[in-house]
Amino acid sequence: GAVVSQHPSRVICKSGTSVKIECRSLDFQATTMFWYRQFPKQSLMLMATSNEGSKATYEQGVEKDKFLINHASLTLSTLTVTSAHPEDSSFYICSALVTVPRDEQYFGPGTRLTVT
Amino acid sequence: AQTVTQSQPEMSVQEAETVTLSCTYDTSESDYYLFWYKQPPSRQMILVIRQEAYKQQNATENRFSVNFQKAAKSFSLKISDSQLGDAAMYFCAYRSLYNTDKLIFGTGTRLQVFP
Repeated sequence: GAVVSQHPSRVICKSGTSVKIECRSLDFQATTMFWYRQFPKQSLMLMATSNEGSKATYEQGVEKDKFLINHASLTLSTLTVTSAHPEDSSFYICSALVTVPRDEQYFGPGTRLTVT
Repeated sequence: AQTVTQSQPEMSVQEAETVTLSCTYDTSESDYYLFWYKQPPSRQMILVIRQEAYKQQNATENRFSVNFQKAAKSFSLKISDSQLGDAAMYFCAYRSLYNTDKLIFGTGTRLQVFP
């Protein structure tokens, strides 16, 4: 089956610093990846759609300058949280779109970000 | 805009029994996909079952089946012969047939399974 990894699984950073989260498709190529945010005991909210070789599409209300997304290859998308604040602390989940035999998203295990 | 509602924040079931999780949605589209995802304590999202709206037959995957009522915009998940490993958060999700980008998730139902 399609496997998606995320690194790191947990990260703690100081307020004002930037942190990068990687999302990799391990055994398939993904033109499209997605980044979600999940607050404690809440649902997943789509932040942005990452397309290989082009700019990401951000959902309404998501600051593109704060959450930088780069999809430089068919197996790697990165989310960089810039100038992190404690309110950015959350669980970030990526997924990758498989199109054959049918469109389906496969999810990574998530990254717990804590900003102190 | 489409919305997905899960009205049961928590449910519980005894091992080997059957439990049904509810989901309703709102859309003006006639064709779409519906999903149930499981999120165990590990937080890894796992696809449980999927339903294409144009199919009248309810999807089944082993012990998991759905009751898809298109007119009522209802999509419930039935778990038969519940196992301890079924304990997790369950999310209902909607995806437009015309826009493969977005999964719209409900708020989730936490399922506890008692031995």
